[in-house]
Amino acid sequence: GENVEQHPSTLSVQEGDSAVIKCTYSDSASNYFPWYKQELGKGPQLIIDIRSNVGEKKDQRIAVTLNKTAKHFSLHITETQPEDSAVYFCAASTDSWGKLQFGAGTQVVVTP
Amino acid sequence: DAGVIQSPRHEVTEMGQEVTLRCKPISGHDYLFWYRQTMMRGLELLIYFNNNVPIDDSGMPEDRFSAKMPNASFSTLKIQPSEPRDSAVYFCASSFGRNNQPQHFGDGTRLSIL
Repeated sequence: GENVEQHPSTLSVQEGDSAVIKCTYSDSASNYFPWYKQELGKGPQLIIDIRSNVGEKKDQRIAVTLNKTAKHFSLHITETQPEDSAVYFCAASTDSWGKLQFGAGTQVVVTP
Repeated sequence: DAGVIQSPRHEVTEMGQEVTLRCKPISGHDYLFWYRQTMMRGLELLIYFNNNVPIDDSGMPEDRFSAKMPNASFSTLKIQPSEPRDSAVYFCASSFGRNNQPQHFGDGTRLSIL
C-alpha cells in the first residue's frame, strides 16, 4: 500500500520567514495530495490540495508543489505569522473514493 | 453551516466497557470516514462509507470494533469490549462526491480507557 513520509517532524521559524515541509510517497498511482492543518484540540482542516495533473498551486501565502517523477510534494508558507503555528499533515490518495494515507505530521512553531 | 459534529468530545471509561462514538456528517455529503489518531501511529483510516454502505473496513483493528451508518445523517463507531490500547482521539470526516473531494473533519472524541 501507499506510504507517505514527512519531514521535518518539527520546524521553528521566525515570524515573517518562510516555512517548507516536504513529503514523499511510494505509490506512483497516487493522484491526489491534500495538506491539512491541525490546531490543538481540533480536527484537521484542509488548507490546500493538488492533483497529479498540476505541478504547482498557490493560495495567498500558501503554495504546494508536486514532482511526480521524484514522487515528492512540498508545502510552502510565506510571511509566517503566529497563527500559522500548528501541526501540518500531508496525505496522498491512489483512488477516487478518498482513501487517504497521512504523513506523520510537522509541528510548526512561529516565534514573534 | 454546521460542520461535522461528533459526540461525546471526551469519554473516560473502564476497560471492558462498551464505548459508542457518534458522528453527524455535513448535510448532503455522501462519504463518511472514521479515523483514529495516536502519537505512535498517527492518523489512521478505520472505515469509510458511501451512501451509508461500508466500502472499506480494512483499517478496523479488531472484531471488537464495529461501525454503522443507519442513515445519511448519523454514524456510530462502537468498541466492545474496550481495552486501554484503544485510547486515542477518534475523528469522523465527511465529503461529497467522487474524485477525491475535500474531507471535512469533526473535532474528534478523546477516548481514555482505564
